Amino acid sequence: EVQLVESGGGLVQPGGSLRLSCAASGFTFSSYAMSWVRQAPGKGLEWVSAISGSGGSTYYADSVKGRFTISRDNSKNTLYLQMNSLRAEDTAVYYCAKSHDDLQLVDAFDIWGQGTMVTVSS
Amino acid sequence: DIQMTQSPSSLSASVGDRVTITCQASQDISNYLNWYQQKPGKAPKLLIYDASNLETGVPSRFSGSGSGTDFTFTISSLQPEDIATYYCQQYDNLPITFGGGTKVEIK
Repeated sequence: EVQLVESGGGLVQPGGSLRLSCAASGFTFSSYAMSWVRQAPGKGLEWVSAISGSGGSTYYADSVKGRFTISRDNSKNTLYLQMNSLRAEDTAVYYCAKSHDDLQLVDAFDIWGQGTMVTVSS
Repeated sequence: DIQMTQSPSSLSASVGDRVTITCQASQDISNYLNWYQQKPGKAPKLLIYDASNLETGVPSRFSGSGSGTDFTFTISSLQPEDIATYYCQQYDNLPITFGGGTKVEIK
């Protein structure tokens, strides 16, 4: 079964750091680009970051550029999101998502994790 | 950034009704447009990719059309299990952007 399982969310103070993980199974992880997408409480979906299958190319939304770092360990089938200098507006459910096509950096997201909640508050 | 304008933001329809949602891009995105369904407390689910292709396992009552800047998502016969919020998403240019969502309810 193709599956993504996120972990690492929680409560953090403004200015703090958190690292999210996304464990993948059921597909050739290294062949697919991966993304993080977030959803603030009661709001819509916001793309955060993407990484190529090899990990050699990374892309960020302007709202997180310079504060968040996406990475992957293909030997462990795991995607990461290092989040630094967190702000209240980063409070959201964070989803990892798999690209639909193994030839594309970004396209449709055909597999999503269950999401992990990040709350930034003092 | 490409803005995706989805309408309506919510709708109420009866079981069996035909439901149509539109998504307009702020610039030409060819057919780089996807549609998702999200039920409360759950992750989004891909329904339509590349504007009109039905994802494997998705019921045929769901369909999509359009290209360029104007796109349409249709549920041919609304079912109780279709109660959800639907989002369009473009991937022609980074950043990837989503529409604001359409909440579908049963009348």
